[in-house]
Amino acid sequence: EVQLLESGGGVVQPGGSLRLSCTGSGFIFSRYAMTWVRQAPGKGLEWVSIITGSSGPTYYADSLKGRFTMSRDNSKNTVYLQLNSLRSDDTAVYYCAKAPDSGAHDAFHVWGQGTMVTVSS
Amino acid sequence: QLVLTQSPSASASLGASVKLTCTLSSGHSNYAIAWHQHQPEKGPRFLMKFNSDGSLTKGDGIPDRFSGSSSGAERYLTISSLQSEDEADYYCQTWATGFHVFGSGTKVTVL
Repeated sequence: EVQLLESGGGVVQPGGSLRLSCTGSGFIFSRYAMTWVRQAPGKGLEWVSIITGSSGPTYYADSLKGRFTMSRDNSKNTVYLQLNSLRSDDTAVYYCAKAPDSGAHDAFHVWGQGTMVTVSS
Repeated sequence: QLVLTQSPSASASLGASVKLTCTLSSGHSNYAIAWHQHQPEKGPRFLMKFNSDGSLTKGDGIPDRFSGSSSGAERYLTISSLQSEDEADYYCQTWATGFHVFGSGTKVTVL
């Protein structure tokens, strides 16, 4: 069974940093692009970033470029999202999801349960 | 600009059908899109994908009650024989080089 498990969420002060992790199981991790999507309280889904299966191109939502960095360690079946210079409007549940192949441009076929990030003083 | 438009809410009685609409912005009517279900306190679930050639790919284990169709720039998700667990938010998603876009979501209420 394909599973994704996010971790690393928590409470952080404005201006702080946090690193989220998403570990996959039940599939050959390196062959698939992985993505992060977030949902702020009371809001809809917002795409954050995506990394291709070969650790090739990584893409980001324009509004987040420069503050967030996505990476992957295929030896650990894990992708990461480094969140820097956090603001209150970054408060959200962060979900990781798996693409159907290694490319960055397709639907997200499998989702994790999410990890909550709260930015507050 | 690539934008997906969804109505904020829809409702239907238990056992009835509901049809949700996702509209692609002007100039993007042939784009592929996907539908996702998001139940409270759970991660989203992939339902189906409309390919750019008009074919449909459903997610694993998605019941036949969930079906899709399209007309021009509109992509539809129809839920038949509505059940209480279908009460959720439904999002459409599309993509272009270097980015992905979600619609604002439709909240389905089962009466």
